[in-house]
Amino acid sequence: EIVLTQSPGTLSLSPGERATLSCRASQSVSSSYLAWYQQKPGQAPRLLIYGASSRATGIPDRFSGSGSGTDFTLTISRLEPEDFAVYYCQQYGSSLTFGPGTKVDIK
Amino acid sequence: QLQLQESGPGLVKPSETLSLTCTVSGGSISSSSYYWGWIRQPPGKGLEWIGSIYYSGSTYYNPSLKSRVTISVDTSKNQFSLKLSSVTAADTAVYYCASWAYDAFDIWGQGTMVTVSS
Repeated sequence: EIVLTQSPGTLSLSPGERATLSCRASQSVSSSYLAWYQQKPGQAPRLLIYGASSRATGIPDRFSGSGSGTDFTLTISRLEPEDFAVYYCQQYGSSLTFGPGTKVDIK
Repeated sequence: QLQLQESGPGLVKPSETLSLTCTVSGGSISSSSYYWGWIRQPPGKGLEWIGSIYYSGSTYYNPSLKSRVTISVDTSKNQFSLKLSSVTAADTAVYYCASWAYDAFDIWGQGTMVTVSS
């Protein structure tokens, strides 16, 4: 089973700042099979990025994904108030697993 | 617009079987474009994939839950279902159903809380 590690656990930033979230896999993951989700309290997760770098329908272009192999990154170029949430990465290759999440909170 | 809605008991006794149904609207569960999945989230914790199914009935399960999980599909009702046997308090969670496309879960239900308690 591929284990995903996300860092940092919590990221404290101000609106307008840039957020950089990391997702590291215990084995190489095909870029096609790496996704990112956003989850707000009391809500279901929302797909942001699939295929490591493709934005899902309706996702603003301030969200971008990059990476390959074992290291992947989600970048939010300028944080909007509605972006403060928990972000999960997920891989599908060797079974399907989620990372533990990164919480982006207001500084 | 595809929509998914979970339904089922909110309280299950230890050692019994948890049963949930996901009703798909706005599209056909028999679409070749989608797989269908179940994911759960214990209170205050992260996401765990339970398993997925294709309309043909092909299933894929999380190895850690495989011995207790059955996922089935009813194309006549546009629904798919989850059964988790021999539940314990560790199975207390919000259970989500979701559609799988573009190699990711693209549409999610709102989730349903299931508590395992006597």
